[in-house]
Amino acid sequence: NAGVMQNPRHLVRRRGQEARLRCSPMKGHSHVYWYRQLPEEGLKFMVYLQKENIIDESGMPKERFSAEFPKEGPSILRIQQVVRGDSAAYFCASSPPGGEQFFGPGTRLTVL
Amino acid sequence: RKEVEQDPGPFNVPEGATVAFNCTYSNSASQSFFWYRQDCRKEPKLLMSVYSSGNEDGRFTAQLNRASQYISLLIRDSKLSDSATYLCVVNPLGYGQNFVFGPGTRLSVLP
Repeated sequence: NAGVMQNPRHLVRRRGQEARLRCSPMKGHSHVYWYRQLPEEGLKFMVYLQKENIIDESGMPKERFSAEFPKEGPSILRIQQVVRGDSAAYFCASSPPGGEQFFGPGTRLTVL
Repeated sequence: RKEVEQDPGPFNVPEGATVAFNCTYSNSASQSFFWYRQDCRKEPKLLMSVYSSGNEDGRFTAQLNRASQYISLLIRDSKLSDSATYLCVVNPLGYGQNFVFGPGTRLSVLP
């Protein structure tokens, strides 16, 4: 049973470009979570999704950030018009209903 | 008051030492509690769930004190490989299944 998959593992973008981060949950998991971790800081919750629904987006910045988890395919975290402050590690986690969260290896975004 | 608080450390201990971390949470209705560990530049990994009766897994023991709203993690006979950041995680009711992560406590086990 493959774990949580994230790609790309490393992503470099110039200011103003778009970043798309993908997350495929573990088999059988219907819940996906996105977290951001700035260097030397803790994990910050961004958004919690179930298939085709956003359950909690209280941690998402109001502008430029969006997330989806379509019926088919991976969950996508999209960052439009990236700025240097978006440089961070973005972790995705998945869980079954009511279960523990398992994390993917993360995507390290660098904005030049 | 933050939802989940931890002493950031670092805790520097010699090999073989026993070390304990505490974590406090603010939502008294919280039901699920976990400890995760995170190695430098890696993803967090589940270490153990924390049950009301307390639980033990080898050298690791987790305790929950609901009255005082804190969780503890005890590591006995520390190994060099235990060096990591330990994250306290709480699942507060009313937030669906959104887990709240503490800032983490950094442990360095020294030879």
